[in-house]
Amino acid sequence: RKEVEQDPGPFNVPEGATVAFNCTYSNSASQSFFWYRQDCRKEPKLLMSVYSSGNEDGRFTAQLNRASQYISLLIRDSKLSDSATYLCVVFRYGNNRLAFGKGNQVVVIP
Amino acid sequence: NAGVTQTPKFQVLKTGQSMTLQCAQDMNHEYMSWYRQDPGMGLRLIHYSVGAGITDQGEVPNGYNVSRSTTEDFPLRLLSAAPSQTSVYFCASSIQGRGRIADTQYFGPGTRLTVL
Repeated sequence: RKEVEQDPGPFNVPEGATVAFNCTYSNSASQSFFWYRQDCRKEPKLLMSVYSSGNEDGRFTAQLNRASQYISLLIRDSKLSDSATYLCVVFRYGNNRLAFGKGNQVVVIP
Repeated sequence: NAGVTQTPKFQVLKTGQSMTLQCAQDMNHEYMSWYRQDPGMGLRLIHYSVGAGITDQGEVPNGYNVSRSTTEDFPLRLLSAAPSQTSVYFCASSIQGRGRIADTQYFGPGTRLTVL
């Protein structure tokens, strides 16, 4: 089983709508969780860290469910500029390496 | 402050050729790493370093060598290029050092490599 799994999509979202997707991780010892955004043919960039209590940054909300071993990302009021691939990233303390999911591709449609 | 820089941006090699992908960062980051990204595969870790003089293998190290003689530079060497190494290569760095919780990874713009 892959350490981090994501449904690649694409997720076609009308402009202004809400889209949400999950990422599951296999190792219960995983400790830090992140969402990265990657635009087409560009490098990944940190979107937000994911905290146990959940966190929000503007239109973006991230949640962590340790019991079920998944994290989620919700985008409200989608903009055309939100079209990108969203990568789920997991880190295990002492492992010194990150595990990346394949990404959720989001396409916002006018 | 240039962040993470990678050269070259594009490269075409013939099977069996060797080359070095350059990566440099000016943020005094301890941790540096190399990933390859292939369609449908996501980012896979090749090699990483937690500080100057220290390197370790990642998920897919075969066919690649690294060294870390300075904090700033982390070159990736392809010993004998194969078509299976056609990919986009990203270098990344972060403050994180040995045993510390992961910090924000800063990625370079990538090198697009084609091996014929």
